[in-house]
Amino acid sequence: GDSVTQMEGPVTLSEEAFLTINCTYTATGYPSLFWYVQYPGEGLQLLLKATKADDKGSNKGFEATYRKETTSFHLEKGSVQVSDSAVYFCALRGSQGNLIFGKGTKLSVKP
Amino acid sequence: DTGVSQDPRHKITKRGQNVTFRCDPISEHNRLYWYRQTLGQGPEFLTYFQNEAQLEKSRLLSDRFSAERPKGSFSTLEIQRTEQGDSAMYLCASSSYRDRAFEQYFGPGTRLTVT
Repeated sequence: GDSVTQMEGPVTLSEEAFLTINCTYTATGYPSLFWYVQYPGEGLQLLLKATKADDKGSNKGFEATYRKETTSFHLEKGSVQVSDSAVYFCALRGSQGNLIFGKGTKLSVKP
Repeated sequence: DTGVSQDPRHKITKRGQNVTFRCDPISEHNRLYWYRQTLGQGPEFLTYFQNEAQLEKSRLLSDRFSAERPKGSFSTLEIQRTEQGDSAMYLCASSSYRDRAFEQYFGPGTRLTVT
């Protein structure tokens, strides 16, 4: 069945460092792909999305490109801030419209 | 619109008791989803509704779980004879058929603790 695998955390970075969180997927066809973020004490929020191959989703300085050749959707940010500390989830849209999530990657950014 | 709301935010219950959670989706969103999230894991799909019809149920949804969405508005998730393994965060999300990507908007969740 469809699945998402993302790099395990926690990831600890200094402020202004470059961030990459790897995400790969297994799916039939080319599903929409998403990154969700969960800040401490808050609910899941959509960070960015891509609906077809080669699409680049971007928001708040974060970017991810839908790569069908490598079945990947890696999340990147050029310069992280303390306020980016959160848990990040990669997800794909399943055949019934439900989301299939990875296990999440906790990011801690130190000043 | 205030987004997806869930009630209660926290529930502590004793094993064997029944609990019911409520979700109010974003108005005019015709799809409503329930997920369960345990510590250190991503959310796992439980079931979803399109309007008032329950169209899909995960194998995670045992016979002790039942969900309804009368009139296609709010939804309830009931767990009968709770077990300690039911302790988790229960998340509700809604989406609109107008959104090509079916972007889902999540509520804050109901944290269930079964003692």
